[in-house]
Amino acid sequence: ELKVEQNPLFLSMQEGKNYTIYCNYSTTSDRLYWYRQDPGKSLESLFVLLSNGAVKQEGRLMASLDTKARLSTLHITAAVHDLSATYFCAVLGGKLQFGAGTQVVVTP
Amino acid sequence: DSGVTQTPKHLITATGQRVTLRCSPRSGDLSVYWYQQSLDQGLQFLIQYYNGEERAKGNILERFSAQQFPDLHSELNLSSLELGDSALYFCASSYRDRYNEQFFGPGTRLTVL
Repeated sequence: ELKVEQNPLFLSMQEGKNYTIYCNYSTTSDRLYWYRQDPGKSLESLFVLLSNGAVKQEGRLMASLDTKARLSTLHITAAVHDLSATYFCAVLGGKLQFGAGTQVVVTP
Repeated sequence: DSGVTQTPKHLITATGQRVTLRCSPRSGDLSVYWYQQSLDQGLQFLIQYYNGEERAKGNILERFSAQQFPDLHSELNLSSLELGDSALYFCASSYRDRYNEQFFGPGTRLTVL
C-alpha cells in the first residue's frame, strides 16, 4: 500500500526566512500534487508534478520531484504571513494518497 | 472557486440518523471523488464514480453509499450515523480518471451529536 510521509508536521516560520517541507512516498509513482488548505476551507491545488526532475514555481513557493528518491520538496522563500496554512502533498497510486499535512504558521 | 459545488455547507444531526450530501462537478468533468477529512484519520479517499459508474473504492464504510446520476451530480449517503462520522466531507471532480487533476469543492461539515 502506498504510504506518504510529510515532515515536519508543524512548522513555525519567521517572516523573511526560507523553509522546506518534505514529502516521501513508499512506492513508484510519477504524479505528485501539492495542495494548500486554509482552516475550515477546501483544498486549493498548488502544483502538479508529473516527471522526474520536475520543478514548478509560483510566487514564493517552489516544488520539485525526484522520483528515484521518491521525494518531493516544497520550498518557501522569504515567508510572509499570507502563507500560513496547511500544505498537503498527494501521490497518485491506485488512488490519490494524501500525506498528513504540514501546518505552517508564519509570525513576524 | 474550483467550480465544484457541495450542499449543504453544514449539517448537524443525531446518532443513528441518515443524511445525504450532494455534489455537482465542474462543467465537463466526468469523474467525482468523495473524501473524508477528520482530525484523527486525515484525508481519506472514500469512493470514485466515472460517468455514472463506480470506478474505485477506498476506505468507505458499509454504512456509506454513493451514486452518480445521469446529469453527473453525485450524492453520498451516510446512514446509522455515529459520533465518529463527524468530519468534513469533500467532493472533488476531474475531467476523466484519476490521472487528471482533481479539483475540490468547499466541503460539507457534518456534526453528529
